[in-house]
Amino acid sequence: QVQLLESGPGLLKPSQTLSLTCSVSGGSISDGTEYWSWIRQPAGKGLEWIGRIYSTGSSNLSPSLESRVSMSVDTSRNQFSLHLTSVNAADSAVYFCAAAPIGGATRGAFLVWGQGAVVTVSS
Amino acid sequence: ELVLTQSPGTLFLSPGETATLSCRASQSLSSINYFAWYQQKPGQAPRLLIYGASSRATGIPDRFSGSASGTQFTLTINRLEPTDAALYYCQQYESSPPWYTFGQGTRLEIK
Repeated sequence: QVQLLESGPGLLKPSQTLSLTCSVSGGSISDGTEYWSWIRQPAGKGLEWIGRIYSTGSSNLSPSLESRVSMSVDTSRNQFSLHLTSVNAADSAVYFCAAAPIGGATRGAFLVWGQGAVVTVSS
Repeated sequence: ELVLTQSPGTLFLSPGETATLSCRASQSLSSINYFAWYQQKPGQAPRLLIYGASSRATGIPDRFSGSASGTQFTLTINRLEPTDAALYYCQQYESSPPWYTFGQGTRLEIK
């Protein structure tokens, strides 16, 4: 069973760049069977999909964030990362990494989630 | 842009009762096969309950069921238990262009 674990700084100042990494265990990103996504949830609010990346490094990003977001993958470390530039208070949230199968009956559903990383943007 | 609207915002029910949660899509979906429901408890990540609008995920009890009719999707929870108290989210995936949309959530409280 694939497991995901987010890591990264929990506190940022406005205008800084947020960088989070998701470590994958119990499976390999190189298998090419999953899309690897980032999803965030501001305190007391709903879920927002940020974007996804494939094992090749190809990514798809939410139009609302794509001007500030980039993603990368490191298959040798079995990790993928999120980079969000020019953060502000509205970017404070729990950031989840999640995996969705590329094909099959469960295509498009997030079967596996990380525990979440709390990110606070404050001066 | 597809919008998923969940209702009610909060549901207050007692153990043993049946919960009916709704999710309405603002437009026809390319495929109901890409529709899912999640349960989220405080401090935890969401957990997949239903995929393909009506198929239960691994380990999900048969008290949970999903159905679809046009742009209306329903999650039904029979024989409510205190542990069912949680937030429930619906979610849709569009493949072209790739896009995942979540509803705003329904809070289920068991009194």
